[in-house]
Amino acid sequence: DVKVTQSSRYLVKRTGEKVFLECVQDMDHENMFWYRQDPGLGLRLIYFSYDVKMKEKGDIPEGYSVSREKKERFSLILESASTNQTSMYLCASSLPGIETQYFGPGTRLLVL
Amino acid sequence: AQTVTQSQPEMSVQEAETVTLSCTYDTSESNYYLFWYKQPPSRQMILVIRQEAYKQQNATENRFSVNFQKAAKSFSLKISDSQLGDTAMYFCAFTDSGNTPLVFGKGTRLSVIA
Repeated sequence: DVKVTQSSRYLVKRTGEKVFLECVQDMDHENMFWYRQDPGLGLRLIYFSYDVKMKEKGDIPEGYSVSREKKERFSLILESASTNQTSMYLCASSLPGIETQYFGPGTRLLVL
Repeated sequence: AQTVTQSQPEMSVQEAETVTLSCTYDTSESNYYLFWYKQPPSRQMILVIRQEAYKQQNATENRFSVNFQKAAKSFSLKISDSQLGDTAMYFCAFTDSGNTPLVFGKGTRLSVIA
């Protein structure tokens, strides 16, 4: 079974803090994705990566950055957390050409 | 840009009954892939079913089936013999290739009532 893990299920941070959300997959997937999920808005793509050290902006990249130094790990960084970044963050991975994405359990982030 | 619309924010169904969740999408591509994902309360998002646009036959997975109407750009999910464990958010999603990110609808919250 594909396993996608995220470093924290729940996280509370202060405004202005730098926040790291980690995602690790164990199935050698090339593609990795970060989404945020908000009620009534569904899932919106923040960033994605098709290979190590590659990254592409999604629909809502402002205020976020990412890092992919190793194939299995894709990190989402909030450079200076703000209250409007309070959300559920979902990581996903997939093989190239195989369109099914596998999701992690999500990190619920609260920024105070 | 592709869009996915789920017009039913919330639905409910009695246990053992059948329910249909609606999804429409907009694309100019001729080949693409459609998905239904399920997110149970406080649990991981999982794939329910997928459909490849070039396949005429509607996909089925046990109690879950789709009604894919390519000309109408419609992709509804039918859940037969609903069970309490089907209570979840259901998201319809679209991609036109393996290396293009999924576009998700806003979701339908389904409650199965005993």
